[in-house]
Amino acid sequence: DIQMTQSPSSVSASVGDRVTITCRASQGIMNWLAWYQQKPGKAPKLLIYAASNLQSGVPSRFSGSGSGTDFTLTISSLQPEDFATYYCQQANSFPLAFGGGTTVEIK
Amino acid sequence: EVQLVETGGGLIQPGGSLRLSCAASGFTVSSNYMSWVRQAPGKGLEWVSVIYNGGSTYSADSVYYADSVKGRFTISRDKSKNTVYLQMNSLRAEDTAVYYCARDPWGSSAFDIWGQGTMVTVSS
Repeated sequence: DIQMTQSPSSVSASVGDRVTITCRASQGIMNWLAWYQQKPGKAPKLLIYAASNLQSGVPSRFSGSGSGTDFTLTISSLQPEDFATYYCQQANSFPLAFGGGTTVEIK
Repeated sequence: EVQLVETGGGLIQPGGSLRLSCAASGFTVSSNYMSWVRQAPGKGLEWVSVIYNGGSTYSADSVYYADSVKGRFTISRDKSKNTVYLQMNSLRAEDTAVYYCARDPWGSSAFDIWGQGTMVTVSS
């Protein structure tokens, strides 16, 4: 089974900051990776699919990159509504797996 | 409007059974990969199960499960009701979680539509 490791587990940042979250797969998954945003008490929201494809309606300040085992989610200029928890998810093979999450907090 | 609505959660004793339902509107569940994902209180997301059509109209559904629920949970769907189900047997305390159903429209295992979730609490 493929395991997903995210880092950092939390990050403190200010509005306007550039934030980068990394995700590593325990084996190669090509570009079969998705990123989600989750706010407290809410369902996750798809941000990025196939490693770098922006989901419809998601602001362009979100971007994804990587392939194989190493992936990155970047928020180019953090906005107040971006404070949330972010998860990566491998979509290469069953059983699917999520990373442990990264919480973006207000500095 | 495209949406998913889960029902069926509640408080159940260890060893008990529960069936969750996920009613879809605005699209047909039989044309999509449909998964259940759960989240224990204060914890991260855990994929539980998927159901999808193997290919042709006449092929049986394919299903997969996480190791943690294999042999205890069963996923199914009713095309006439446009609903996906999760039958949960032999429930354990560690099954306590919010259960979400989610749609993967491309067979790429990325979930674009999620329900609001239903809480399952396993406790005596």
